Amino acid sequence: ETGVTQTPRHLVMGMTNKKSLKCEQHLGHNAMYWYKQSAKKPLELMFVYSLEERVENNSVPSRFSPECPNSSHLFLHLHTLQPEDSALYLCASSQDGQGPGYTFGSGTRLTVV
Amino acid sequence: RKEVEQDPGPFNVPEGATVAFNCTYSNSASQSFFWYRQDCRKEPKLLMSVYSSGNEDGRFTAQLNRASQYISLLIRDSKLSDSATYLCVVQRGASKIIFGSGTRLSIRP
Repeated sequence: ETGVTQTPRHLVMGMTNKKSLKCEQHLGHNAMYWYKQSAKKPLELMFVYSLEERVENNSVPSRFSPECPNSSHLFLHLHTLQPEDSALYLCASSQDGQGPGYTFGSGTRLTVV
Repeated sequence: RKEVEQDPGPFNVPEGATVAFNCTYSNSASQSFFWYRQDCRKEPKLLMSVYSSGNEDGRFTAQLNRASQYISLLIRDSKLSDSATYLCVVQRGASKIIFGSGTRLSIRP
């Protein structure tokens, strides 16, 4: 596999559920990002990991919890989400944190019911 | 006021036309500038970086005007496949990356 792979592609979850989004990059990059894209809104940067350390957390609610076990994998753990959290969640990676010349995954389309 | 502003469009132009759109940014400390393209229900992909001297990639020309704090994208001889949303991206520092809301472009036969 090449590039940035995200799973699942689609996810429907209830407000009391706990789920996780997964991102894997095969590019040898050392920085990874989570973005949120809501309808008719710009992409919002949520979290940045550089060399497996979180370097940015843009005031994201605690119901979103990122995890970066190594430089190739990034997770976004979700719990007690709200309907307004429904969006496309995009993962991206870059080398040396020199984004945004980076590569996006195809995204997970999340619907909270 | 948004830090990065784009005309949302849609721009609806005939095939073969030349189309241009601008993006303005409010923070003068912004260092790097990019145009991304996003197709419907797909992820954004880097189209080109934008330099003060201007840069060209085939039918696409990007320009940066630091004094007026705007960047532009010009598409010549537009093709049907150019239909997409074009995202302006402004960066200051490794993690201060701001996306514009995007400009929708539709090329008609």
